[in-house]
Amino acid sequence: QKEVEQNSGPLSVPEGAIASLNCTYSDRGSQSFFWYRQYSGKSPELIMFIYSNGDKEDGRFTAQLNKASQYVSLLIRDSQPSDSATYLCAVNERKAAGNKLTFGGGTRVLVKP
Amino acid sequence: EPEVTQTPSHQVTQMGQEVILRCVPISNHLYFYWYRQILGQKVEFLVSFYNNEISEKSEIFDDQFSVERPDGSNFTLKIRSTKLEDSAMYFCAWRLAGGTDTQYFGPGTRLTVL
Repeated sequence: QKEVEQNSGPLSVPEGAIASLNCTYSDRGSQSFFWYRQYSGKSPELIMFIYSNGDKEDGRFTAQLNKASQYVSLLIRDSQPSDSATYLCAVNERKAAGNKLTFGGGTRVLVKP
Repeated sequence: EPEVTQTPSHQVTQMGQEVILRCVPISNHLYFYWYRQILGQKVEFLVSFYNNEISEKSEIFDDQFSVERPDGSNFTLKIRSTKLEDSAMYFCAWRLAGGTDTQYFGPGTRLTVL
């Protein structure tokens, strides 16, 4: 059973601070990694993806991938109240045309003004 | 990003009834997926659909479920003889041909089985 694990939170951060979210995955064959944001009652919204080891930055977001440790993280800099949401880590096996995503349970982030 | 619409936004049905959930792509998508999310639980993969055929399905996707793209436009998920435990948000997702394998999600249909 391939698993993606996240701390459920809530992760409470003051406005302007850095939020650090972690995700581990069990399948070493995983090829691509995604972070989605999900507001309550809404669909997952892509924040960013990462394929290679190291860091990838996009605005206030930085994704970090370490395939040897089977670990992917997301940093949110200058956190805003609008960043309060559940952040979903998803892993893709990239099998032929299937490409199914396996999701973690999500980390709830609360940004306090 | 390119978007889809999902209809209905909320479906209430009686246990044992059949429901059809629809996903209408706007752009020329090639890869489609259905996921579901039971309240408070993980997003779960149901099925992937490529070139008008199922390419992969999960153990959840049993004979109760079927997918098709009947008119080359709408992408549907049919649930026969619904059960209480089918109550969930159902998300259509898609991926563009070529490029990255990023999947984008539609707004979802909330299915409530009474």
